[in-house]
Amino acid sequence: TQLLEQSPQFLSIQEGENLTVYCNSSSVFSSLQWYRQEPGEGPVLLVTVVTGGEVKKLKRLTFQFGDARKDSSLHITAAQPGDTGLYLCAGGETSYDKVIFGPGTSLSVIP
Amino acid sequence: NAGVMQNPRHLVRRRGQEARLRCSPMKGHSHVYWYRQLPEEGLKFMVYLQKENIIDESGMPKERFSAEFPKEGPSILRIQQVVRGDSAAYFCASSPLDQAGETQYFGPGTRLLVL
Repeated sequence: TQLLEQSPQFLSIQEGENLTVYCNSSSVFSSLQWYRQEPGEGPVLLVTVVTGGEVKKLKRLTFQFGDARKDSSLHITAAQPGDTGLYLCAGGETSYDKVIFGPGTSLSVIP
Repeated sequence: NAGVMQNPRHLVRRRGQEARLRCSPMKGHSHVYWYRQLPEEGLKFMVYLQKENIIDESGMPKERFSAEFPKEGPSILRIQQVVRGDSAAYFCASSPLDQAGETQYFGPGTRLLVL
């Protein structure tokens, strides 16, 4: 059974700080996705990483897919209150598998 | 291009009633997924459908829950004889044929409250 773990579960930081959240599994994934979800809304796709070792940047967000395609990280530089939300990673073993979600990291950025 | 639509956004039912949740995928998307989310938790996969076919329903409870995605019209998640434990947010996502499983776009969800 595929499982995705995320750490930390909760994170509260001051505006301007940097942070990294992690997504780990014992399974190999064909791709991993990162989503951000705000209260009362559906998850919004941030990025999809497909190739082992791949690094993608989205403004102040940097996403990395592990070489073995079993883990991923999300680094945020100079966090802002607008970054507050639940960050979810998700993946499937093949591109046609159902997608499994991790439990999420709840980030709070304090002004 | 409209995103994934879900209705209703909020649904209140009494125990024993039926709940019908609707999902219209993005235009051109032929794959639909349903998830359930409890407060402070991640999304739990329920069912994966293509037009007129259930591909994977391994996350669906064996009783009271059913899903369909007809040739015409929205996908429907149906919960019969609801119980308080069914209270949750239900999200639908869709993806295009060539990115199934890799890239899913989510609707705003339906929040079901069972009294």
